[in-house]
Amino acid sequence: DQQVKQNSPSLSVQEGRISILNCDYTNSMFDYFLWYKKYPAEGPTFLISISSIKDKNEDGRFTVFLNKSAKHLSLHIVPSQPGDSAVYFCAASGSGGSNYKLTFGKGTLLTVNP
Amino acid sequence: EAQVTQNPRYLITVTGKKLTVTCSQNMNHEYMSWYRQDPGLGLRQIYYSMNVEVTDKGDVPEGYKVSRKEKRNFPLILESPSPNQTSLYFCASRSPAGGLNIQYFGAGTRLSVL
Repeated sequence: DQQVKQNSPSLSVQEGRISILNCDYTNSMFDYFLWYKKYPAEGPTFLISISSIKDKNEDGRFTVFLNKSAKHLSLHIVPSQPGDSAVYFCAASGSGGSNYKLTFGKGTLLTVNP
Repeated sequence: EAQVTQNPRYLITVTGKKLTVTCSQNMNHEYMSWYRQDPGLGLRQIYYSMNVEVTDKGDVPEGYKVSRKEKRNFPLILESPSPNQTSLYFCASRSPAGGLNIQYFGAGTRLSVL
């Protein structure tokens, strides 16, 4: 039972354009969501997060949107740069005792073409 | 520099030969976790530890053991490795309780079991 789904294995965009990576979840107990970026031969690194009490969080070129009713979140990268080419993982956690566990999606490989 | 260190980075072994992958963090984090990453499956949690001498199974614990004798170290033990344990392994530690659930990852250990 996959609780966090990233249905697009890959995405290719042109430099300077917007990249939109999508993530869906099924567990209504999730209340904190994160995006991680992973380059080859490196570990995942934290990118941006959002709490369920918000619908948007912005950090520079990166913005995460959360639609709780649709159980959907998205990561927008504007403008996209070649250095953004990486695998992006969506992750979710609950509250209280389940707060520590992160459930990851399968990842989306983003390629930004110069 | 705050970091999670895994060793070795690459390991080739044979079926049945016991091995240990070490993980150490210098951030005084209480929570640590092991994940494996496989193509098309994303990151799956193997074991986690809430604190010294407190460990528990994640989603895919079969064939693995862990120990947490010290706060900074969380080794992953494969008593009798099999080819289906060929994977990319990541250790992670989490920021303190009550804070944001951001996990910091090591650079990974690529294991091949022949």
